[in-house]
Amino acid sequence: GALVYQYPRRTICKSGTSMRMECQAVGFQATSVAWYRQSPQKTFELIALSTVNSAIKYEQNFTQEKFPISHPNLSFSSMTVLNAYLEDRGLYLCGARDRRDTQYFGPGTRLLVL
Amino acid sequence: QQKVQQSPESLIVPEGGMASLNCTSSDRNVDYFWWYRQHSGKSPKMLMSIFSNGEKEEGRFTVHLNKASLHTSLHIRDSQPSDSALYLCAASIDSGYNKLTFGKGTVLLVSP
Repeated sequence: GALVYQYPRRTICKSGTSMRMECQAVGFQATSVAWYRQSPQKTFELIALSTVNSAIKYEQNFTQEKFPISHPNLSFSSMTVLNAYLEDRGLYLCGARDRRDTQYFGPGTRLLVL
Repeated sequence: QQKVQQSPESLIVPEGGMASLNCTSSDRNVDYFWWYRQHSGKSPKMLMSIFSNGEKEEGRFTVHLNKASLHTSLHIRDSQPSDSALYLCAASIDSGYNKLTFGKGTVLLVSP
């Protein structure tokens, strides 16, 4: 079956430091990967959409300078939160879409910033 | 302004009852709607999607869509305590629905 793994599941970082999270698609080829953030008291916000052979598109309020993303192949994507501060805490979800347009969400990486 | 509005914010129904959740998009470009369920501490899992006007039923879950008003609703009959969760409505403008706009969700509590 198709699965999406995210690592780490939970992480704590000090304010001002950076934290990298990974997303692995298993059982299918992820033609596109979307990264979302669910902040406390907020709904999911799309950070960026990465499609194979296309430039990564960042949504308003999110930048490559703050959230650099790597999507080197059809099964792996990573995103780094640079200079994390309190407002960056939340659940970061990776959503991967296969060639039949079915989307699978990973379990998320929960980021706590101290 | 939130482009996807959900109501009510929270809902309590008795076990065996009917839960009705609403979602409306203010973006006229939206063509696709998705309903997700998120249990506490978990990632959301897709329940149902709907693209065409009308109704779609899967087991205890029924989804309605009115494309003219960009309104969708999710109905859960014979609600169970295990249905207690955050229900998220999401919309997208095309079939590349990786780019989803989520509403804030409805918290459903099914009381035994």
